[in-house]
Amino acid sequence: DVKVTQSSRYLVKRTGEKVFLECVQDMDHENMFWYRQDPGLGLRLIYFSYDVKMKEKGDIPEGYSVSREKKERFSLILESASTNQTSMYLCASSFGGTLGTQYFGPGTRLLVL
Amino acid sequence: DQQVKQNSPSLSVQEGRISILNCDYTNSMFDYFLWYKKYPAEGPTFLISISSIKDKNEDGRFTVFLNKSAKHLSLHIVPSQPGDSAVYFCAASATDQGAQKLVFGQGTRLTINP
Repeated sequence: DVKVTQSSRYLVKRTGEKVFLECVQDMDHENMFWYRQDPGLGLRLIYFSYDVKMKEKGDIPEGYSVSREKKERFSLILESASTNQTSMYLCASSFGGTLGTQYFGPGTRLLVL
Repeated sequence: DQQVKQNSPSLSVQEGRISILNCDYTNSMFDYFLWYKKYPAEGPTFLISISSIKDKNEDGRFTVFLNKSAKHLSLHIVPSQPGDSAVYFCAASATDQGAQKLVFGQGTRLTINP
């Protein structure tokens, strides 16, 4: 059974703070992803990684960075949190190969004041 | 540029009847399609998928239909049950574009009324 865990379910931060969101998967998946979910906008891809130390920008990377030092762990960093980064953040992972079934963590609801 | 669109933000269906959720896409390179279900305060869970070489895939009460010429897919749930109340996202990928990136629609909130 695939398990993707995220370090926090709820987080409250102040504008300008540096924020770390961590994601761990236990299925030896090559690919890992960070999305944000906002009402009416669906899930939007922030960054993804297809291997250790590799990263690629998604559709909305501005204001974010990522780190993947180990295969099972993918971190999302908000360098200087802003109120428009208040959102639900979802991590996902998938096997390498050609089929795109991704498995999601429970999400982190971030509120930036 | 919304490549995957779910034009109905919400849908309400009577318990026991059929629920039909629709999704349209614009990118003709998409060749793999998925539906995810999401409850509040949980991550999306994979429901069912279909490859572009097929036009129908069935799994229990869930059937996905793909019409490539119309760039349209739909999810049928029959019979609908109260536990099916959730937000449903369709997603698409193009396997030759690497890393199996998924493009998601905006979601449709399905409510099953007893």
